[in-house]
Amino acid sequence: NAGVTQTPKFRVLKTGQSMTLLCAQDMNHEYMYWYRQDPGMGLRLIHYSVGEGTTAKGEVPDGYNVSRLKKQNFLLGLESAAPSQTSVYFCASSLQGGGRTDTQYFGPGTRLTVL
Amino acid sequence: GDSVTQMEGPVTLSEEAFLTINCTYTATGYPSLFWYVQYPGEGLQLLLKATKADDKGSNKGFEATYRKETTSFHLEKGSVQVSDSAVYFCALSGDSSYKLIFGSGTRLLVRP
Repeated sequence: NAGVTQTPKFRVLKTGQSMTLLCAQDMNHEYMYWYRQDPGMGLRLIHYSVGEGTTAKGEVPDGYNVSRLKKQNFLLGLESAAPSQTSVYFCASSLQGGGRTDTQYFGPGTRLTVL
Repeated sequence: GDSVTQMEGPVTLSEEAFLTINCTYTATGYPSLFWYVQYPGEGLQLLLKATKADDKGSNKGFEATYRKETTSFHLEKGSVQVSDSAVYFCALSGDSSYKLIFGSGTRLLVRP
């Protein structure tokens, strides 16, 4: 049982390049989330999904797109990377959407640097 | 809006010392409160949680009590170990929200 996995672990991009981060979970969770972690700011929600084929914006969605074509996968895309997107990206999943009582399980993170 | 404030780190302690990491929150209604831990090179994992006032969450020797009157959820451990060195995040989830709101994190370093 791998839990939540993320690919790649590290990436360096040049400004304007594009890339896709892959998140996969094997727990049959309905909800999936993408966060970014910046120094001194904790984690901020970028986008989330309440089920296969659905996506929604979180707190800081600008410059990112997402897709959830399969229940177990949640992709985060950067169409034209900017230095402000240098961050550590975390994917998470939960069985239900109720953060109030439901536990979110996190992946190991992807460290992205945009030059 | 809802927010979480944590004490800034790093917090450096000797092994077997008492640990307190302060966390206060601002939220409407009755949020649930969480502590997550991030070990070096890993993702976040849930350490403990409390879903209503006066509840105490506990796990691996860590404890935190949901204090509505002081809007706090301080993390404590009576005797820390080197293996507790990590970054600790306080978080909340609102009354009807899926979303977790995180504090900025507190790095703990425990020396032998």
